[in-house]
Amino acid sequence: SQQGEEDPQALSIQEGENATMNCSYKTSINNLQWYRQNSGRGLVHLILIRSNEREKHSGRLRVTLDTSKKSSSLLITASRAADTASYFCATGGHSGYSTLTFGKGTMLLVSP
Amino acid sequence: EPEVTQTPSHQVTQMGQEVILRCVPISNHLYFYWYRQILGQKVEFLVSFYNNEISEKSEIFDDQFSVERPDGSNFTLKIRSTKLEDSAMYFCASILPGQVRADTQYFGPGTRLTVL
Repeated sequence: SQQGEEDPQALSIQEGENATMNCSYKTSINNLQWYRQNSGRGLVHLILIRSNEREKHSGRLRVTLDTSKKSSSLLITASRAADTASYFCATGGHSGYSTLTFGKGTMLLVSP
Repeated sequence: EPEVTQTPSHQVTQMGQEVILRCVPISNHLYFYWYRQILGQKVEFLVSFYNNEISEKSEIFDDQFSVERPDGSNFTLKIRSTKLEDSAMYFCASILPGQVRADTQYFGPGTRLTVL
């Protein structure tokens, strides 16, 4: 089954720096989504990139997708302390309604 | 923006007891999902539901689990006889097919289930 796996597992940076998180998966996908989770809270959808797209932007977020390498990256530019959270990639199969397979996530700590 | 809501936010129960977790998906959404996240682990798919029946379920979703859409708004997950290993955060999600953002699953805030 498709499976997202993020690296690094944890990332600690200073405010203003950029944070890059990577995700790899195993099988073909329809889309890949990034979610954010503050400690013990719900999942907030950040961005979706489809298999025929290579890059998407949303505010300070930039997501790339390389289907040949089965990998994606999430870049947060000019990070803020409020960006501190866990970030998960989730892959969706060939149906738009298909279930999501999540990775273990990257825990990002942004220090003031 | 409309949100998925879940109640309760935290449920504590004794092993062997039945629990019902409730979700109100976004009103015009058509596909509904339950996922769970054991503390410190990845989010895992449990079940999807469409047109009043289960579309897909994972190996986790055994006979102890059931889902129901009892009315036009609520979507429930029932665990008949809870086990210690059912302790987790349970997330409901919904999706509206046919729209620009059809693939985006909107998640609720979760119910933390603690089985003692």
